[in-house]
Amino acid sequence: GENVEQHPSTLSVQEGDSAVIKCTYSDSASNYFPWYKQELGKGPQLIIDIRSNVGEKKDQRIAVTLNKTAKHFSLHITETQPEDSAVYFCAASRAAGKSTFGDGTTLTVKP
Amino acid sequence: DAGVIQSPRHEVTEMGQEVTLRCKPISGHDYLFWYRQTMMRGLELLIYFNNNVPIDDSGMPEDRFSAKMPNASFSTLKIQPSEPRDSAVYFCASSLGSEKLFFGSGTQLSVL
Repeated sequence: GENVEQHPSTLSVQEGDSAVIKCTYSDSASNYFPWYKQELGKGPQLIIDIRSNVGEKKDQRIAVTLNKTAKHFSLHITETQPEDSAVYFCAASRAAGKSTFGDGTTLTVKP
Repeated sequence: DAGVIQSPRHEVTEMGQEVTLRCKPISGHDYLFWYRQTMMRGLELLIYFNNNVPIDDSGMPEDRFSAKMPNASFSTLKIQPSEPRDSAVYFCASSLGSEKLFFGSGTQLSVL
């Protein structure tokens, strides 16, 4: 089955700096890669996603890049703000299949 | 839409008791997923349904766990008998197609 590894497990940045979280996957048939943000006491919420036919996608301060050859994808958050502090999860899935999640990254943005 | 609705939000029970968790997916969604979250094991997929039919239950830990989806607007996850190691946050999620998951707020289960 699919295996998703996520790094780092914790990340602390100063407000205004950039944050990068990286994930690798094992199943070359995976073609959909979402990122979720989980705040304390809440369920994960989708923040951005990318498909295997696209190399990069941006949404305001958030961007995701995908390298299919190397089987890795990354989340980039620019101009971080305290409200970006949360746990971030990457995931990988095939069409009409189940998502396999990484172990999560706890991001702390210091004011 | 109110989103995915789970109940109860918190459940405290004693070992050996039956526990039933409930989920109402977003109207029109055709996939429903049950996940368990712990510090040690992260987010684990327990089972998922497509059009009310269980597709993959390979993540269900053992026979003590069972899940049903009698109709498109309701699903249950039952643990009988419950054990302390079942303590976790249980999430229900739904999606249109299997990709963009919408999660509920979860049920915090404590088995004493």
